[in-house]
Amino acid sequence: EIVLTQSPGTLSLSPGERATLSCRASQSVNRNYLVWYQQKPGQAPRLLIYGASTRATGIPDRFSASGSGTDFTLTISRLEPEDFAVYYCQQHGGSYTFGQGTKLEIK
Amino acid sequence: QVQLVDSGGGVVQPGKSLTLSCAASGFSFGSFGIHWVRQAPGKGLEWVTVIRYDGSQQDYTDSVKGRFTISRDNSKNTAYLQMNDLRAEDSAVYYCARDFWNGPARYFDYWGRGTQVTVSS
Repeated sequence: EIVLTQSPGTLSLSPGERATLSCRASQSVNRNYLVWYQQKPGQAPRLLIYGASTRATGIPDRFSASGSGTDFTLTISRLEPEDFAVYYCQQHGGSYTFGQGTKLEIK
Repeated sequence: QVQLVDSGGGVVQPGKSLTLSCAASGFSFGSFGIHWVRQAPGKGLEWVTVIRYDGSQQDYTDSVKGRFTISRDNSKNTAYLQMNDLRAEDSAVYYCARDFWNGPARYFDYWGRGTQVTVSS
């Protein structure tokens, strides 16, 4: 089973700053199957990025993502107040494992 | 618009059973696979199970194999998760989600709001 490890566990930043979130896989992941979700308290996860780098419908262009093989990154260029949430990466190769999440909190 | 409504959660004693439902609307239900994903209190997301669009194939995470069964009734636009022999560690919010293929890419594009399952004596 592919294990996804996200870092950092918690990221404390201020609105307007740039956020960089990492997702590292225990073995190579087909980038078509690497997905990022955002989850706010009390809400279901929301699709952000699929295919490692394609924004889902309605996702602002301050969100971008990249990566291949075992290393993937989600970047939020200028944080807005509504971006503070938990972010999960997920892979679909064989099984459907999630990373443990990165909590993006207001500094 | 696409909507998934998950329901059926509650408080149940260890060893007992519970069945969750995921009612779909706004799309051709019989053309999409459905997943269940759970989230224990204060924890991350854990994939639980998936059923193919036509019900012909299912897959489960190891911790629920032999205890949970996913099924669907395409005539009722509803998927089900029957959970038997429930344990305290099954306590979580359970979400159903639609399986979407976009060319070579695959992801969960729509999610229900979740239903709480609490296993406690």
